Amino acid sequence: RKEVEQDPGPFNVPEGATVAFNCTYSNSASQSFFWYRQDCRKEPKLLMSVYSSGNEDGRFTAQLNRASQYISLLIRDSKLSDSATYLCVTDSWGKFQFGAGTQVVVTP
Amino acid sequence: EAQVTQNPRYLITVTGKKLTVTCSQNMNHEYMSWYRQDPGLGLRQIYYSMNVEVTDKGDVPEGYKVSRKEKRNFPLILESPSPNQTSLYFCASSVSPGGNEQFFGPGTRLTVL
Repeated sequence: RKEVEQDPGPFNVPEGATVAFNCTYSNSASQSFFWYRQDCRKEPKLLMSVYSSGNEDGRFTAQLNRASQYISLLIRDSKLSDSATYLCVTDSWGKFQFGAGTQVVVTP
Repeated sequence: EAQVTQNPRYLITVTGKKLTVTCSQNMNHEYMSWYRQDPGLGLRQIYYSMNVEVTDKGDVPEGYKVSRKEKRNFPLILESPSPNQTSLYFCASSVSPGGNEQFFGPGTRLTVL
């Protein structure tokens, strides 16, 4: 069983709609949490860090539930450019665990 | 320009022929790491380094070696490559691992025949 599990999707989303998905992690010692975005097997790029209190960055909102060990990402007002694979990432003292990614496809 | 560079970007080799993939960053980052990415498995950490001369195993270190003699460089060595090491490899660096953004290199696509 992978340490970070994600629904692979694809999530097909009409432009302008809202999409939400989450991941679960098994290592309760994880200290830091992130969402990365990856386009077509290019290098991953940080979308946002995730904090226990929840945080927002423009149209993106991330939540962390330590008790249930899951992390969520919500994208509002989806744009065509949001089409990508979203990677859920945890860190424990420099040991990073990546989920396999959730594919989002935004359609016109 | 702040960046992580990897070379080569593409490599086709044969079983058993030693190879090195170089990784270099120009951001004075303490932390560097190597990952491999395979379909359906996501990125898996091979080795990481908290600082010069300090390296640790990730989840899939078998068949790989690393060294960190200088802060900017973190080469990945495959002493005797095998076909199951065919993969997409990424190097990454960050100021430090705790809660900081990792910057990734462009990737190296390795095929071992």
